[in-house]
Amino acid sequence: KNEVEQSPQNLTAQEGEFITINCSYSVGISALHWLQQHPGGGIVSLFMLSSGKKKHGRLIATINIQEKHSSLHITASHPRDSAVYICAARDQFYFGTGTSLTVIP
Amino acid sequence: EAGVAQSPRYKIIEKRQSVAFWCNPISGHATLYWYQQILGQGPKLLIQFQNNGVVDDSQLPKDRFSAERLKGVDSTLKIQPAKLEDSAVYLCASSPSGGRGNEQFFGPGTRLTVL
Repeated sequence: KNEVEQSPQNLTAQEGEFITINCSYSVGISALHWLQQHPGGGIVSLFMLSSGKKKHGRLIATINIQEKHSSLHITASHPRDSAVYICAARDQFYFGTGTSLTVIP
Repeated sequence: EAGVAQSPRYKIIEKRQSVAFWCNPISGHATLYWYQQILGQGPKLLIQFQNNGVVDDSQLPKDRFSAERLKGVDSTLKIQPAKLEDSAVYLCASSPSGGRGNEQFFGPGTRLTVL
């Protein structure tokens, strides 16, 4: 069993839909990292959070430390949001396998 | 501000050959990380440097992989000899320090194919 589990593994959505990607972890952490990886490998950091909620544009990340669970939400999804989204437990560098998102126009 | 630079972007070699990757972190970033990302998996930390010292190399296959950051700035990762299972994207990242609250900035990666 992986220390960091993501769901779903693959997700296809219509443009404009609200999207949720879930991340559960079994290790103790002080921060959880959400990353976006585009085709070609480049990784961009989206959020790092240790409690509550953070928002940046159409992206919202929440974390529940007690339940060891985090979610990444995308509002009004757009084809340019198509990418792999990875959550990572910051302390021990445990990474989820990623959620591949495709947003169809 | 320039980001993390990596070269080459792509490399194809035959098994048992040697290969080296180069990374130049963001200026002033003390901590540098090398990750291996096999297709379909999340990145796996290979080694973490703080300045020119190794902080964590517990997952580095030391029989064939080596890394150095001699002057505490840029770094090289070497594989010698390469195996088929080394085919992956090798990502370099840097952060201002190794503290747990610090965000990492990733380079574009080097995609290695071992034939």
